[in-house]
Order: sequence, then structure tokens, then C-alpha cells
Amino acid sequence: KQEVTQIPAALSVPEGENLVLNCSFTDSAIYNLQWFRQDPGKGLTSLLLIQSSQREQTSGRLNASLDKSSGRSTLYIAASQPGDSATYLCAAEDSNYQLIWGAGTKLIIKP
Amino acid sequence: EPEVTQTPSHQVTQMGQEVILRCVPISNHLYFYWYRQILGQKVEFLVSFYNNEISEKSEIFDDQFSVERPDGSNFTLKIRSTKLEDSAMYFCASEYSRTNEQFFGPGTRLTVL
Repeated sequence: KQEVTQIPAALSVPEGENLVLNCSFTDSAIYNLQWFRQDPGKGLTSLLLIQSSQREQTSGRLNASLDKSSGRSTLYIAASQPGDSATYLCAAEDSNYQLIWGAGTKLIIKP
Repeated sequence: EPEVTQTPSHQVTQMGQEVILRCVPISNHLYFYWYRQILGQKVEFLVSFYNNEISEKSEIFDDQFSVERPDGSNFTLKIRSTKLEDSAMYFCASEYSRTNEQFFGPGTRLTVL
């Protein structure tokens, strides 16, 4: 059964720093991996989707990588800003077309 | 930009009552999903729907749950005889084709008293 883990659970960094969020999954048989942002009490905003055949995707200051063989994905945020403060979730689409979710990393960017 | 919408944003109901959560997926999308997130817990898959029938469902999606697409735009989740543990945020998502990006609505917060 696919399990998705995110570390750290929480991260607090000063504004301007580059940072990396980690996501690991136990079963490499995934169709894709998607990163989301969730603000408190709000919905899920899709940030990046990496298909299983891809190694990375970029959108603005965000870069996500995928290494299926090691069961890992990372989300790199460059030049962090206070507006980046949110919970970041990763979700792997398993062989049953179900998104299996991590618990998230709560990110705080200090001005 | 097209978006998924959900109504209501917050629903309060008494235990044992039936509730219907509504979603309008993106118009040219073909696959539809419901997820839930209990406060402080992970998001969980409930059900996927394609071509007017359920494609996959999780163990959570038992006989008290049902989904339907009553017309060309709405996608609904019905919970019969709600329980306290059904209190959660329910998210609808849609997808143009399999294994592509799923787009999520803002969620409906269900509170069962």
C-alpha cells in the first residue's frame, strides 16, 4: 500500500533564503506526483505536476524534482517571500489512479 | 481561467441528517473526484467518477456515500445519515484525462453536530 511522507513537518526560515521540501513514497509505481499549496482553512492550489517519465518541472521560483527509483521528490523554493508561508502538500497518483497524500510541511517565512 | 466551484462553503447539519455537497467541475474535464480532509489529518481519496459511473472508491466510501452527475455540469456527493466523524473539509476535483493535473475546488466544510 502506497504511503507518502513529508519532512520536515514544519520549517521556519528568514525571507530571501532558498529552501527544499522533501516528499518520499514507498511504491515507485506511480503515474505522477503533484505538489500543492494549502493556506489555513482554504482549498488546495496545484503548484506543479511531474509525470512519472519526467525528472523535474519548474514554475517561476519553484522547481520540483522526481526520482522514482529512490521514491523521492523535492520542492525547491528560491528567494523565499513571506507570501510563500503556507502548508505544502505532495500527492502521488498510484496505480489505482488515486492521489495518496503526505501530511504536509508547514512553512513560515519570517520577514 | 476556468475553475472548479463548490457549494456551500460551509454546511452545518445534525447527526443522522442527509447532506448533499455540490461541485461544478471545469467544463471540458472528464474525470471527477471527491476527497476529504479531517481537521489536522491528511487529505484522503474518496471516489472517482467517469462516464457517469464510479471508477474507483476507497474503503471510506461506504454505503452511506453516493455520487452522481445529475446534469451536464453538477457533480454531487450525498452523505446519508451523517455521523459526527463525517465532519471534515470535502474537496471536489476534476481532470481532463487520466494521470493529468487534478484541479481542486475551494472545499466545503461540513460540521456534524
